[in-house]
Amino acid sequence: QQQVKQSPQSLIVQKGGISIINCAYENTAFDYFPWYQQFPGKGPALLIAIRPDVSEKKEGRFTISFNKSAKQFSLHIMDSQPGDSATYFCAVMEYGNKLVFGAGTILRVKS
Amino acid sequence: DAGITQSPRYKITETGRQVTLMCHQTWSHSYMFWYRQDLGHGLRLIYYSAAADITDKGEVPDGYVVSRSKTENFPLTLESATRSQTSVYFCASRVAGGLSYEQYFGPGTRLTVT
Repeated sequence: QQQVKQSPQSLIVQKGGISIINCAYENTAFDYFPWYQQFPGKGPALLIAIRPDVSEKKEGRFTISFNKSAKQFSLHIMDSQPGDSATYFCAVMEYGNKLVFGAGTILRVKS
Repeated sequence: DAGITQSPRYKITETGRQVTLMCHQTWSHSYMFWYRQDLGHGLRLIYYSAAADITDKGEVPDGYVVSRSKTENFPLTLESATRSQTSVYFCASRVAGGLSYEQYFGPGTRLTVT
């Protein structure tokens, strides 16, 4: 069973600051590493995903950095806004097209 | 376009009772998944299905039963509910093949077992 370690558990960032969330996985994973965003009372929704053939992917204020040799990847939120306050989950694709999720990071952006 | 729906949204049941959580999707996605979400554990896969009549266990299947007779429905049954099954349950679906592995989640069912 794949293990995915996500840190930190919670994060408080000032408006306009950079939020950084990290994930590490143990075993060889398939070629898909997504981040999901979840607002209170809602289901998670895909935020951004990366394949291991690139080291970085950027979509607007959100960037994934991927280090295959270290088995680590991170989410950077630039110019963080109060509307970004949510829980963020990293995940890795496992054999059988299953996603294994990290424990989640609760982000609060202070205005 | 309803997407993926779950019912009920909230459920309180007693220990030992059988309870079924419903999941319905309108996209004809091949894959469907059931997760439970608990603080400190993130989302853990209970069961998944690659197509109608094909199901397989996930990380935490004990105490749960699933079936998938139709592509659009994927009910999850707790045969004899226990307090440890108090959780928020999410259903998800995705297409088979293609370049996207994106899973689409339902709004969740909050289950309390007393």
